[in-house]
Amino acid sequence: DTGVSQDPRHKITKRGQNVTFRCDPISEHNRLYWYRQTLGQGPEFLTYFQNEAQLEKSRLLSDRFSAERPKGSFSTLEIQRTEQGDSAMYLCASSLIRGRDMNTEAFFGQGTRLTVV
Amino acid sequence: TQLLEQSPQFLSIQEGENLTVYCNSSSVFSSLQWYRQEPGEGPVLLVTVVTGGEVKKLKRLTFQFGDARKDSSLHITAAQTGDTGLYLCAGINYGQNFVFGPGTRLSVLP
Repeated sequence: DTGVSQDPRHKITKRGQNVTFRCDPISEHNRLYWYRQTLGQGPEFLTYFQNEAQLEKSRLLSDRFSAERPKGSFSTLEIQRTEQGDSAMYLCASSLIRGRDMNTEAFFGQGTRLTVV
Repeated sequence: TQLLEQSPQFLSIQEGENLTVYCNSSSVFSSLQWYRQEPGEGPVLLVTVVTGGEVKKLKRLTFQFGDARKDSSLHITAAQTGDTGLYLCAGINYGQNFVFGPGTRLSVLP
């Protein structure tokens, strides 16, 4: 399978614990996005990378959240001191931007469902 | 802040009926995507529209991008139970991030 993969699929953690999620994008894609989705809502943008550079962060991304893409391939999203409000589906997507063509399509992974108890 | 609105929020119809769902914004997008999402899964890309006024067909699904590139519609002909899901529209503005609407939850009853 050469699509976007996310690990783990499900994570249950106690409030106050730290969690880390991993995303492996489609191999030739240079952009990688993180979104959060709560029940009944559309995905909310968190951050995105072009290669290893983090180009934009949403105000939703508090200082407890950090994302990295150290070699421009896979990415990790860490949440420190988790709170019950962090419970959501965390979605990763990747896309390919070529030259001056700014139109692109995002392909999503299956998501990581986080439950904070 | 760019926002996308979708209507209706919920739609329940009988198999065989036709339906249209809408995606609207006050902002211009360079392209717009439609996705379908099933419970517990990530969104799956259905189509991308780029040119104002563009119409794309995917079997029983017809997608249209508004002339001003601010809105879009998705029309499903002769809906089937397999069409059930959350339909999301997402806009991208000249290489920035994707902005999603809240979705239309469609239930097609047998």
